[in-house]
Amino acid sequence: EPEVTQTPSHQVTQMGQEVILRCVPISNHLYFYWYRQILGQKVEFLVSFYNNEISEKSEIFDDQFSVERPDGSNFTLKIRSTKLEDSAMYFCASSEGPIYSNQPQHFGDGTRLSIL
Amino acid sequence: SQQGEEDPQALSIQEGENATMNCSYKTSINNLQWYRQNSGRGLVHLILIRSNEREKHSGRLRVTLDTSKKSSSLLITASRAADTASYFCANGGTSYGKLTFGQGTILTVHP
Repeated sequence: EPEVTQTPSHQVTQMGQEVILRCVPISNHLYFYWYRQILGQKVEFLVSFYNNEISEKSEIFDDQFSVERPDGSNFTLKIRSTKLEDSAMYFCASSEGPIYSNQPQHFGDGTRLSIL
Repeated sequence: SQQGEEDPQALSIQEGENATMNCSYKTSINNLQWYRQNSGRGLVHLILIRSNEREKHSGRLRVTLDTSKKSSSLLITASRAADTASYFCANGGTSYGKLTFGQGTILTVHP
């Protein structure tokens, strides 16, 4: 069964550095998402992306964050000037259609980001 | 309280027993989705129930939806040790792509 793949599985970075988290969504999916889960907390929505532009974003997704689809297969999340509180598991997801079309979102295994 | 609240927060049962988890939400929805998360792993989509459906089955899973009470339940029948995981409900309200997750139910199935 096709799946969403994320790399790396674990990223350790010094505070203030920039990180890029990478995702390969399911090939026929057109809608892409990033979520994060701080240890012991709920999964939180960050951003949705369709047709090469952000369609929706949360209050968390400020100027420190950006997303890009650099080619036909990858979807990336860039975090600039990382802070300790950015430490979390970051999940990429993709779907064939938006929520209101009753298409489920499929998630990758996540990237554990640790900021030192 | 927040959207997507599950209860109980933790459930411990013996293999072969049934497990029932409940979820409440606050807004109108197009659908409700249930996910499983094994420790340290990603979210696995289990089942999606549309707002005009009342019950849906998938293998040993049965999901119900009561839109008048803004609640849903997930029943796992004849549980197995491999069902040990956290289970989350998620709803998108009527939004485009944002899923709102609950805190989840930690299910432990003892062999």
